[in-house]
Amino acid sequence: NAGVTQTPKFQVLKTGQSMTLQCAQDMNHNSMYWYRQDPGMGLRLIYYSASEGTTDKGEVPNGYNVSRLNKREFSLRLESAAPSQTSVYFCASSEIPGQGGYTFGSGTRLTVV
Amino acid sequence: GNSVTQMEGPVTLSEEAFLTINCTYTATGYPSLFWYVQYPGEGLQLLLKATKADDKGSNKGFEATYRKETTSFHLEKGSVQVSDSAVYFCATEAGGSYIPTFGRGTSLIVHP
Repeated sequence: NAGVTQTPKFQVLKTGQSMTLQCAQDMNHNSMYWYRQDPGMGLRLIYYSASEGTTDKGEVPNGYNVSRLNKREFSLRLESAAPSQTSVYFCASSEIPGQGGYTFGSGTRLTVV
Repeated sequence: GNSVTQMEGPVTLSEEAFLTINCTYTATGYPSLFWYVQYPGEGLQLLLKATKADDKGSNKGFEATYRKETTSFHLEKGSVQVSDSAVYFCATEAGGSYIPTFGRGTSLIVHP
């Protein structure tokens, strides 16, 4: 099925541990995004990649790094997890920003203890 | 910068009631406007869109009209069902900008 695939779906980390959230899309979209969703805060943009080979900071980039591995894949890394990073993380992609809307993955629910 | 303001929820309705969720925006230029829906435990799904003034987006019985004079894009449905219970997000995307703006979401609860 065409779409955005995120792995893992659930993860529990201890404070200070690192991990990488994976995202892949098979729609040949140029732009990819990482969001976090917290109760009462809506969606907040962490990083985005307008095209293969480029990445830019969003609203809340601190504590995260990203890699646009190729056109299909965009990963999000937490180098030293903190409880404040407990959240649901969504990856999204878009063919032409400003026109077509976004396709979202089903999310990764991360808990940092 | 751009912003989107949605009515706060939750909105609680009985089945077959009429639904309106208000959305107003501020944006430079001529943005495209979107409604997304998020069902429990899932990601956001594009529900409908409008790309220029006076356009009406529609899908699954939902409608919204791009009103440039009032900078609004209110979501409506004539007869809601229990299965419509979800969180609805209004969003704007300015042409050429890679950073969309989402509202905070409005929770809809439909009782049988």
